[in-house]
Amino acid sequence: NAGVTQTPKFQVLKTGQSMTLQCAQDMNHNSMYWYRQDPGMGLRLIYYSASEGTTDKGEVPNGYNVSRLNKREFSLRLESAAPSQTSVYFCASSEALGTGNTGELFFGEGSRLTVL
Amino acid sequence: EDKVVQSPLSLVVHEGDTVTLNCSYEVTNFRSLLWYKQEKKAPTFLFMLTSSGIEKKSGRLSSILDKKELSSILNITATQTGDSAIYLCAVELYSNYQLIWGAGTKLIIKP
Repeated sequence: NAGVTQTPKFQVLKTGQSMTLQCAQDMNHNSMYWYRQDPGMGLRLIYYSASEGTTDKGEVPNGYNVSRLNKREFSLRLESAAPSQTSVYFCASSEALGTGNTGELFFGEGSRLTVL
Repeated sequence: EDKVVQSPLSLVVHEGDTVTLNCSYEVTNFRSLLWYKQEKKAPTFLFMLTSSGIEKKSGRLSSILDKKELSSILNITATQTGDSAIYLCAVELYSNYQLIWGAGTKLIIKP
């Protein structure tokens, strides 16, 4: 059972280049999220999708775009990468928006992005 | 501004010791407090706390919420090297179901 799968796991970009992080979940979850994690800071929500067909900004959306391609897939795009976007990116999913009665978000293994 | 603060930021103990990790919060509308463990990669769920004073336990780990003090503790007894990880605390908001995360406590268990 794969759970949440992210690709790529590592990527190095030059300033100004674009790229897309892909995320897929096989748990039939309605809600999906993109977070970034920086040293000394907590996870910060970039964008989320409460259900198929909807997306909303989180705490730090500037410089990013997202697409909920279908119920399984949620991609994050950097149109013009900047060094400040160097981070570890996590995709997560949950049955419904928030943590419901269980408190559980399911995370992918992360994508380490370096922007030079 | 909603915030979650964890302490200490890092902690080194020896195998067999008991540790207590702290999480305090200031948020506008509290729904729940969550603890996650992050080893090398993905955070994994430990506990969800919604009511004050009710301890949640899982093996050697336990956690309790104090809504009056706006805080929670995570206890680990008889620590093992496999407990080495970053422990993350998050608070879920009622208004938009978003999670506000603390910076984490990095726990290192020495053999």
